[in-house]
Amino acid sequence: RKEVEQDPGPFNVPEGATVAFNCTYSNSASQSFFWYRQDCRKEPKLLMSVYSSGNEDGRFTAQLNRASQYISLLIRDSKLSDSATYLCVVNIGTGGFKTIFGAGTRLFVKA
Amino acid sequence: SQTIHQWPATLVQPVGSPLSLECTVEGTSNPNLYWYRQAAGRGLQLLFYSVGIGQISSEVPQNLSASRPQDRQFILSSKKLLLSDSGFYLCAWTRDRVSYTFGSGTRLTVV
Repeated sequence: RKEVEQDPGPFNVPEGATVAFNCTYSNSASQSFFWYRQDCRKEPKLLMSVYSSGNEDGRFTAQLNRASQYISLLIRDSKLSDSATYLCVVNIGTGGFKTIFGAGTRLFVKA
Repeated sequence: SQTIHQWPATLVQPVGSPLSLECTVEGTSNPNLYWYRQAAGRGLQLLFYSVGIGQISSEVPQNLSASRPQDRQFILSSKKLLLSDSGFYLCAWTRDRVSYTFGSGTRLTVV
């Protein structure tokens, strides 16, 4: 079983739609969580951290469910510019922790 | 502000040829530096990381090597490339091992 799993998609949604991605992690020692965005043939860029209480940044909402070991990303009012691959990232352990990147979920937003 | 430079952007190399990819960071000192590889449809795979000059940790045994000759310079090398070395190579740095900043990447095709 992969340490971090994501639905690869692609998710095809119209502009203005709400779309949600889930990511599951297997290691209960996972400490911190992030979503990165990667445009086609570009480097990943940090989108947002994921806090235990959930957090929002504009149209983006991230949530963490430690009991079920998954995190989610909700995008409201999708824009064409949201088209990208969204990577789930998990830091496992403390001190000498390691970082695991998910393979990503592809999103296409269409006019 | 901190910036990370990586070159070349694309590279086509024959099997058995050597490789040298360079990464430099500006605007910070003593960064933690990383080399990742991303294969199509897969998550980022950590290859090497370095916490200081001359300090290299290898995560995956293979025909690649890394060096850190200066505080803000990280080099990925190979003496003889294999077809399986093809991929998108990303250099990254982090100060807090929480969020990562990536270089623009090198797309390597071994033919």
